[in-house]
Parts: sequence; C-alpha cells; structure tokens
Amino acid sequence: ETGVTQTPRHLVMGMTNKKSLKCEQHLGHNAMYWYKQSAKKPLELMFVYSLEERVENNSVPSRFSPECPNSSHLFLHLHTLQPEDSALYLCASSLYWSGTDTQYFGPGTRLTVL
Amino acid sequence: AQSVTQLDSQVPVFEEAPVELRCNYSSSVSVYLFWYVQYPNQGLQLLLKYLSGSTLVKGINGFEAEFNKSQTSFHLRKPSVHISDTAEYFCAVNKETSGSRLTFGEGTQLTVNP
Repeated sequence: ETGVTQTPRHLVMGMTNKKSLKCEQHLGHNAMYWYKQSAKKPLELMFVYSLEERVENNSVPSRFSPECPNSSHLFLHLHTLQPEDSALYLCASSLYWSGTDTQYFGPGTRLTVL
Repeated sequence: AQSVTQLDSQVPVFEEAPVELRCNYSSSVSVYLFWYVQYPNQGLQLLLKYLSGSTLVKGINGFEAEFNKSQTSFHLRKPSVHISDTAEYFCAVNKETSGSRLTFGEGTQLTVNP
C-alpha cells in the first residue's frame, strides 16, 4: 500500500454504537490530521497530531476521541453519535506540521449515523 | 481569522474550452495559498500552491493560478479542459505564522461536457 489509507470506507452505525475509524500513512510523515467533510460546507479541521502529540482540537465534541499510537497510525473513536455527525471523514498527513507542507489525503470513510 | 470564498459553486464548461475558478481570501496576516482537487470517491489531491516568489504558479494536469495580493485573490485557470477534469476543486489558505491549519473554501464543482 502506498500513500494514505483509511478503513472502513463505509460505516453505518446507530446512535448508541461505538466504532473506530483507522488511518495509516506509508509516507514517513510526522503530522496527521482528521477532517470532517459535510455536504455544502467547507472541510472542517478536527484534530492534528504532530510527532504523536495532539496539537489541535477544534472544539470537537467529546463523542469524537482521537488516538495516535505512532506516527504512521491515527484512529478516530466514535461513541454516542448524532445523525448530524453523518459525513465523510478524511485523514491526511504531511511531512511536518508546517504551513508550507503539502497535506496528502486518504479516500475517506463515509459515515452514516441512524 | 482567515476565510476563503469560492465565488462559483458550479462551473459547467465544454471540453477544450478554457476555465477559471475564482477564489478570494481574507486575512490580517500573510498567507500561503493552495488549490486541491477531489475526484469522485477519492480524497483531496494537491494541484498547486503559492508560498512565495513568482505570483504565477504552475501545477499538475496543466493548471495554473495567479496570486494577486492587492485583490486578495488566487484564481485557478486551465486553457483547455478535458472530460477527466470533472471534479470538485477547493481553495485553501494557511497563515504563514502558524502550523498547518488549512482553511478551505466551500468548493467549486467543475463539470466538463463533451
């Protein structure tokens, strides 16, 4: 595998379920990101990890819980979600947490909350 | 805080016609500027970015963009489009003084018709 991969690609869950999204990057990067992409809205940055430390948390509800066990893997743990949380969740990585670095995106996980 | 406005939500064009996708931004500090493309069922891919130097930036797939500081614009152009350019295009900005915290526009859907 090359680039940034995300699993699963599609996920349907009830409001009381607990699930996790997984992201893996094979680029040797040191920064990883979670974004939410909703219809008709700009991409929203949720979390940023740099060298495995969280450096950004954009007022995201606590029902979303990120985890970065090493520089290649990023998880988003989900629990007690709401229907408005249905969206495409994109993972990205960059060489460093720098404004000049290009972010490389995975294909996303399409989440539907019933 | 910075913001990005993509002036057209949808742009339909015929194959081999020229196209311009417009992007304006507002920021109280200097910014870096990016254009990303998203093909159906895929993540975002960088087309080009402006960091410094020449205001005309060339990217992949024949696209180019011009940074205009006085008009706070970063319009994307291609002289002759192909069917395969059909996708959603996102303009994004990042403050020079911060880590990577991209602010995205709402996107422009480019549809190239035969």
